[in-house]
Amino acid sequence: DTGVSQDPRHKITKRGQNVTFRCDPISEHNRLYWYRQTLGQGPEFLTYFQNEAQLEKSRLLSDRFSAERPKGSFSTLEIQRTEQGDSAMYLCASSLGYRGYGYTFGSGTRLTVV
Amino acid sequence: GQQLNQSPQSMFIQEGEDVSMNCTSSSIFNTWLWYKQDPGEGPVLLIALYKAGELTSNGRLTAQFGITRKDSFLNISASIPSDVGIYFCAGQGENNDMRFGAGTRLTVKP
Repeated sequence: DTGVSQDPRHKITKRGQNVTFRCDPISEHNRLYWYRQTLGQGPEFLTYFQNEAQLEKSRLLSDRFSAERPKGSFSTLEIQRTEQGDSAMYLCASSLGYRGYGYTFGSGTRLTVV
Repeated sequence: GQQLNQSPQSMFIQEGEDVSMNCTSSSIFNTWLWYKQDPGEGPVLLIALYKAGELTSNGRLTAQFGITRKDSFLNISASIPSDVGIYFCAGQGENNDMRFGAGTRLTVKP
């Protein structure tokens, strides 16, 4: 297992378009997290899954953001009608259980909205 | 938004010098963690702390979990050029989600 994989690494999109990012966690990890990181800031928690159940989504930034993990393996994060303020790095992490030491982060998807 | 106050925001030091950075919070955390992030990559865990007062080392890195459970510090001894990067503290509370500080950007001059 090579760790947490995110695809694509970079995405440039026009304002108003929809974008979808994929995260493949470490295979034995049951928890999967999405974070957003803007320039000069630390990662900001968005949502997480335990297996296929989305247990926290109140911190998704708006109703334009949605995430799925249909079979408890990979996850997708979709942003509809993108805005320039959505430009950021979107990070995925996975863990076995909830303890912080177990989080492994992917390299992120950098989104630029023009 | 961020609940953790991390300082300093940036540091410029000479190779071989020691470094200290810290993090404070208005909330109590059960776990404190320190991560390093290189450009274009995700954060990588350096040290995790689980008990108030705990002092843990990982090579040249030493971190402590404050007695009040509202603060932590990270020390790096005898810095080397590859220590360059952004260091983040993170706290994990009762609801298990992890909050990050804004980071300390470290530059090491050879």
